[in-house]
Amino acid sequence: AQSVTQLDSHVSVSEGTPVLLRCNYSSSYSPSLFWYVQHPNKGLQLLLKYTSAATLVKGINGFEAEFKKSETSFHLTKPSAHMSDAAEYFCVVRQYGNKLVFGAGTILRVKS
Amino acid sequence: DTGVSQNPRHKITKRGQNVTFRCDPISEHNRLYWYRQTLGQGPEFLTYFQNEAQLEKSRLLSDRFSAERPKGSFSTLEIQRTEQGDSAMYLCASSYRGGDTEAFFGQGTRLTVV
Repeated sequence: AQSVTQLDSHVSVSEGTPVLLRCNYSSSYSPSLFWYVQHPNKGLQLLLKYTSAATLVKGINGFEAEFKKSETSFHLTKPSAHMSDAAEYFCVVRQYGNKLVFGAGTILRVKS
Repeated sequence: DTGVSQNPRHKITKRGQNVTFRCDPISEHNRLYWYRQTLGQGPEFLTYFQNEAQLEKSRLLSDRFSAERPKGSFSTLEIQRTEQGDSAMYLCASSYRGGDTEAFFGQGTRLTVV
């Protein structure tokens, strides 16, 4: 069965500095991977998705992620953090039937 | 707003009572999913429908839980004889069947069992 592990439960960065949120996956075949963001009192929103096309995936709000099969990783990055990026981020792998398996989440804090 | 709609947004109930939540998916989506999210955890899959057929149920879904999707449109999730451990955010999502389709999530129903 597929699964994902988010390596950091909390990440704190200063505004204007790079963001790195780490995710490793486990899958017996080429997975479909996603990053979702959840702001307080808001629904989950898709940031980006990898579905076996380009290994570097660009998403909304300047985020991107790189699929690395050799490292079984799908880390989320952004060159420069903004205060509005503060939220909880989930790395997700898709199973059969379009079911999603979520990681435990990483809370991103952005300091001014 | 044509997104996924969930009602109510918040529900406080006494232990032992029954509760029912409603989800209205995006109208052209034929798949509908229920997830549960507890504090500090990612959402966990509960069940999903393709049109009106319930195709899979997680082991997390005890006998006290039942979900329906009559006519393949809106869905309801009922919890009977609620327990304090049922306190969580219940999320609904919808998508097209197949392909690289995105699941769209509602804002959830937060259940508190006192």
